Amino acid sequence: DAGVTQSPTHLIKTRGQQVTLRCSPKSGHDTVSWYQQALGQGPQFIFQYYEEEERQRGNFPDRFSGHQFPNYSSELNVNALLLGDSALYLCASSLAPLTSYNEQFFGPGTRLTVL
Amino acid sequence: AQTVTQSQPEMSVQEAETVTLSCTYDTSESDYYLFWYKQPPSRQMILVIRQEAYKQQNATENRFSVNFQKAAKSFSLKISDSQLGDAAMYFCAYSGYSTLTFGKGTMLLVSP
Repeated sequence: DAGVTQSPTHLIKTRGQQVTLRCSPKSGHDTVSWYQQALGQGPQFIFQYYEEEERQRGNFPDRFSGHQFPNYSSELNVNALLLGDSALYLCASSLAPLTSYNEQFFGPGTRLTVL
Repeated sequence: AQTVTQSQPEMSVQEAETVTLSCTYDTSESDYYLFWYKQPPSRQMILVIRQEAYKQQNATENRFSVNFQKAAKSFSLKISDSQLGDAAMYFCAYSGYSTLTFGKGTMLLVSP
């Protein structure tokens, strides 16, 4: 049973460019959350997708957008990249938190470097 | 908004010894969950232990146990019989329902 997978592993972009990161959830999971982890910091919640809709959003600008597909996989898009967007981007999958918390399983992350 | 504070950027322990990592949090909620995650150099975030706020009994997972003090909003992790493989960054995290709020982490160094 494959866990959460993310692609690519590493990515280098220049300021002003756009980037798309991808995540495939653990088998049986229907909810995907994205986190940004800057160097030396803890992960920060970006947004969460369930039933192909953004359900919750953290304190991130509109340059950060996402999408969830019918197979529950998800993409994170960042437009007009800034140097400060350099970070490890983590994807976590879970079952929908309808009545209680369900454990989130994390992928290995995508390391984004903006030059 | 909920906040999680880890005041120890780095801790050191010798193999077979015991170490305690500290965490405090702030919330106005009465029902929530607390977690300790381990992140080794491979970057994979691994759940170590979980505590439901409504449970008074402290959670235990093999060599890992917590000291949960709800009134003090304190949630410390005790690692007994430390092993070289325990060396990693440890994050304390809070969840009210579905998303996680993390602290800045504590780097645990384990020496032979």
